[in-house]
Amino acid sequence: KNQVEQSPQSLIILEGKNCTLQCNYTVSPFSNLRWYKQDTGRGPVSLTIMTFSENTKSNGRYTATLDADTKQSSLHITASQLSDSASYICVVSLGGEPYKYIFGTGTRLKVLA
Amino acid sequence: DVKVTQSSRYLVKRTGEKVFLECVQDMDHENMFWYRQDPGLGLRLIYFSYDVKMKEKGDIPEGYSVSREKKERFSLILESASTNQTSMYLCASSLIAGDLGETQYFGPGTRLLVL
Repeated sequence: KNQVEQSPQSLIILEGKNCTLQCNYTVSPFSNLRWYKQDTGRGPVSLTIMTFSENTKSNGRYTATLDADTKQSSLHITASQLSDSASYICVVSLGGEPYKYIFGTGTRLKVLA
Repeated sequence: DVKVTQSSRYLVKRTGEKVFLECVQDMDHENMFWYRQDPGLGLRLIYFSYDVKMKEKGDIPEGYSVSREKKERFSLILESASTNQTSMYLCASSLIAGDLGETQYFGPGTRLLVL
């Protein structure tokens, strides 16, 4: 069964600290993996997209990694800010099914001052 | 910047009512999607459309229908609203198929409560 699992479910950190969110997937065939940020009551916004051949991609203080062999991805947030408080969603696209996206349930991050 | 707008942020309807959710995108995107998002569950695809008047069922189409008469507009219709359709509804659009790495752009969502 194609699945995307994220951990932890929720996380609380202090402002200025770093954190890493995990995403494990059992999607096959794999096409690409995306990380989205979703603020409370808003739609998700894309942070990064990685294809099979990419193993790291950065977007400002956000760095995503992908290990296609172990089917794991992580999102590292450096020097967290209060505005990083949001849910972070990992999404995997199925190869050969261009409209099929498998969404994780997200990690809810809270950054405290 | 791509802009995806949804007609309502919050909506309260009664069981049995017909409900229309509208979504408009301004970037000439080919593909449009309707998802629902419930606590503890990932986004689930209701319907998508890859062209005007074309539609395909997603994972949970029961109780819903869609309409795409113009490229920029994709409507979700709840034929007879039920309490189990209380949810956050998200519209998205993309230029080309996701298999090629194209980003989906999401609207702000409509939080629907069915009483």
